[in-house]
Amino acid sequence: EAQVTQNPRYLITVTGKKLTVTCSQNMNHEYMSWYRQDPGLGLRQIYYSMNVEVTDKGDVPEGYKVSRKEKRNFPLILESPSPNQTSLYFCASSLTQWGSYEQYFGPGTRLTVT
Amino acid sequence: GIQVEQSPPDLILQEGANSTLRCNFSDSVNNLQWFHQNPWGQLINLFYIPSGTKQNGRLSATTVATERYSLLYISSSQTTDSGVYFCAVLRETSGSRLTFGEGTQLTVNP
Repeated sequence: EAQVTQNPRYLITVTGKKLTVTCSQNMNHEYMSWYRQDPGLGLRQIYYSMNVEVTDKGDVPEGYKVSRKEKRNFPLILESPSPNQTSLYFCASSLTQWGSYEQYFGPGTRLTVT
Repeated sequence: GIQVEQSPPDLILQEGANSTLRCNFSDSVNNLQWFHQNPWGQLINLFYIPSGTKQNGRLSATTVATERYSLLYISSSQTTDSGVYFCAVLRETSGSRLTFGEGTQLTVNP
């Protein structure tokens, strides 16, 4: 089944404790991205990747890092999480950045930073 | 950047009723998608519809790109249809970042 998977689905952590949220897709998609969803602010893009070893900032990249060492994986790294990073996170992928292609979203990761 | 407006913001229906959700966007787009966010927070792809009409069971969607709007029709609504419906658009000049509307909160009562 074609899908985007994320882990963990739920995470409660403390300020400053490094964490990684994994994202994987099995559709051989070139383009992957991360969004966060917050009440009143909607969904905002954090980072995106056009292909392996190619990443760039989205609208709200502060406090996050990403890497794209393999085509299928695009982990989101919070080096020193803070309470304002409490949010619902989504990973998404599409065939390529260029042209008009459907984007597929993972199931979401609900992160709470205390 | 492109603006996406959805209406109505809230909608309450009785089971079995029909509804129409609207999405207006401020500029030409290369991609338009409809999503359903269920009560568990998952974003479910409903339609990829940059233009034309599509149907999937009780749901259908129409996008009139020249007039910059899209409609999502839900017929014979069920309680499981409850949740938030998002319209999202993409302009190729902005890379592949989807711009989401604020959503329509749908509640279907038994």
